[in-house]
Amino acid sequence: GENVEQHPSTLSVQEGDSAVIKCTYSDSASNYFPWYKQELGKGPQLIIDIRSNVGEKKDQRIAVTLNKTAKHFSLHITETQPEDSAVYFCAATQGGYQKVTFGIGTKLQVIP
Amino acid sequence: DVKVTQSSRYLVKRTGEKVFLECVQDMDHENMFWYRQDPGLGLRLIYFSYDVKMKEKGDIPEGYSVSREKKERFSLILESASTNQTSMYLCASSSAPQWIFGSGTRLTVV
Repeated sequence: GENVEQHPSTLSVQEGDSAVIKCTYSDSASNYFPWYKQELGKGPQLIIDIRSNVGEKKDQRIAVTLNKTAKHFSLHITETQPEDSAVYFCAATQGGYQKVTFGIGTKLQVIP
Repeated sequence: DVKVTQSSRYLVKRTGEKVFLECVQDMDHENMFWYRQDPGLGLRLIYFSYDVKMKEKGDIPEGYSVSREKKERFSLILESASTNQTSMYLCASSSAPQWIFGSGTRLTVV
């Protein structure tokens, strides 16, 4: 089955700096890669996703890149703000979206 | 506003008890999932269902069962709760490519 590795497990950045979280996956059949943000006491919420036919996607301060050959994808947050502090999960899945494999999560702390 | 609702935020149960965790979604999604979330282990899939009365084992089904009698409701059952089942349980529903999670149930087994 699919295996998703995520690092770092914790990340502290100064407000205004950029944050990068990296993930690798094992199954070349995976073709959809969502990223989730989980705030304290809440369930994970989708913040951005990318499909395997796209190399990069941006949404305001958030971007995701995908390298299919190397089987890795990354989340980039620019101009970080304290409200970006949360746990971020990467995930990978195949067509049909019936089963998603998650990374272990990255706890991001943005220091004011 | 679309929602996945888990009936309890916090539960404390005794070892050996039968425990029911309920999840309801209002989006008419076909697929529903139960995950447990533990520090350092991320989200691990327990069971999922892609239709009423259908269920599939996930990665860690031992000690759990599920029930899906209606499309909107997916229940996780701990047949005989044990202390190693103390965890955060997350329900999710999906209809490709949208995935929605509930807020979670933190279960403590004493």
